[in-house]
Amino acid sequence: QVQLQESGPGLVKPSETLSLTCTVSGGSVSSGSYYWAWIRQPPGKGLEWIGYIYYSGSTNYKSSLKSRVIMSIDTSKNQFSLKLSSVTAADTAVYYCARVINSWPYYFDYWGQGTLATVSS
Amino acid sequence: DIQMTQSPSSLSASVGDRVTITCRASQSISSYLNWYQQKPGKAPKLLIYAASSLQSGVPSRFSGSASGTDFTLTISSLQPEDFATYSCQQSYSTPWTFGQGTKVEIK
Repeated sequence: QVQLQESGPGLVKPSETLSLTCTVSGGSVSSGSYYWAWIRQPPGKGLEWIGYIYYSGSTNYKSSLKSRVIMSIDTSKNQFSLKLSSVTAADTAVYYCARVINSWPYYFDYWGQGTLATVSS
Repeated sequence: DIQMTQSPSSLSASVGDRVTITCRASQSISSYLNWYQQKPGKAPKLLIYAASSLQSGVPSRFSGSASGTDFTLTISSLQPEDFATYSCQQSYSTPWTFGQGTKVEIK
């Protein structure tokens, strides 16, 4: 059974960088069959796709966040990570990592439990 | 970006009711439409992919259909564990986008 688990600071100051890691168990981030994605959900709002990374390191980011997002992958640790810079209160959200089938129809089949990141001084 | 509009935003229903939720895409997305169920404080769970394919382990009372840019999630007989928020998601083109969610509440 594939499991994903997010980790990282729950509180980030405005203008600083939010850093999260997703640890995968029961599966390998080195598999060529999947993308590894980040999705967020502001309190009481809908889901927003942030981007994904492939085992090769290739990435696809949401254009409106592209200037602030960096994703990386560490196959030796079976982890992938998200860095979101220059955060504001609008970046306060539950952040989920998820696995994506990388062929039609590209769905999120496994999700982490989510981690709340609050931007506040 | 492709906009996904769900209706209604919330509904009240009783156990045993047939429930229908609609998702409309702002442009053609073929069958690149997935449905998720989310309970409070939990991650979304995949129910339906490719508009009408049932994810393994999901009860058969859930079904999906498509007509042009309109997609429907149907719960044939609502069960107590089905009270949750349901969201559609298009995977036709990035940025992948979600509907705003439909909250199904107990009547």
